[in-house]
Amino acid sequence: SAVISQKPSRDICQRGTSLTIQCQVDSQVTMMFWYRQQPGQSLTLIATANQGSEATYESGFVIDKFPISRPNLTFSTLTVSNMSPEDSSIYLCSVGPSGSDEQFFGPGTRLTVL
Amino acid sequence: AQKVTQAQTEISVVEKEDVTLDCVYETRDTTYYLFWYKQPPSGELVFLIRRNSFDEQNEISGRYSWNFQKSTSSFNFTITASQVVDSAVYFCALGGADGLTFGKGTHLIIQP
Repeated sequence: SAVISQKPSRDICQRGTSLTIQCQVDSQVTMMFWYRQQPGQSLTLIATANQGSEATYESGFVIDKFPISRPNLTFSTLTVSNMSPEDSSIYLCSVGPSGSDEQFFGPGTRLTVL
Repeated sequence: AQKVTQAQTEISVVEKEDVTLDCVYETRDTTYYLFWYKQPPSGELVFLIRRNSFDEQNEISGRYSWNFQKSTSSFNFTITASQVVDSAVYFCALGGADGLTFGKGTHLIIQP
């Protein structure tokens, strides 16, 4: 199984600022996914990050708000831009070859926006 | 569009009771995967099982068992002889080629 780390583990941010979350995997993976879990809610897929191409965003999520980078096969970043209190959530990255294989999740980044 | 329904929002049982968590899914894909994850109070997401759509055999792992029935589009999860450490939110998820669709989760409370 892949070992996934995320930085930061948590942060408290001011409205209007941006935060970049890092996801590091201990092995090369084809696809990486970013999910959001709002307080008391389930997980929702934000986007799929493929190395060498632009991220693919789900309905309701846009690149200007959640820009994603995938510079290599072991690393990705998600930026939450121009934050508002509604962005307070846990953000998780996940890895899996195609989304249909065993998908393991990072420990999550707990974001609070004041 | 894919959909996962976990109708039980919260279940509370006394320790050592058996408990079943229901999961019903919808998909148009002929090949798909079903997952169960556990999210304890600490927040991390723990992978429990993956089942592909071609394998309807039930699976048992210790006190955990899973019943996959394609005819009813269900993938139920049973914990036998529940323990306090089983208290968590459990998510059922449906996977295709483009990530996972999660159910809303079932909050399981095991009382001592």
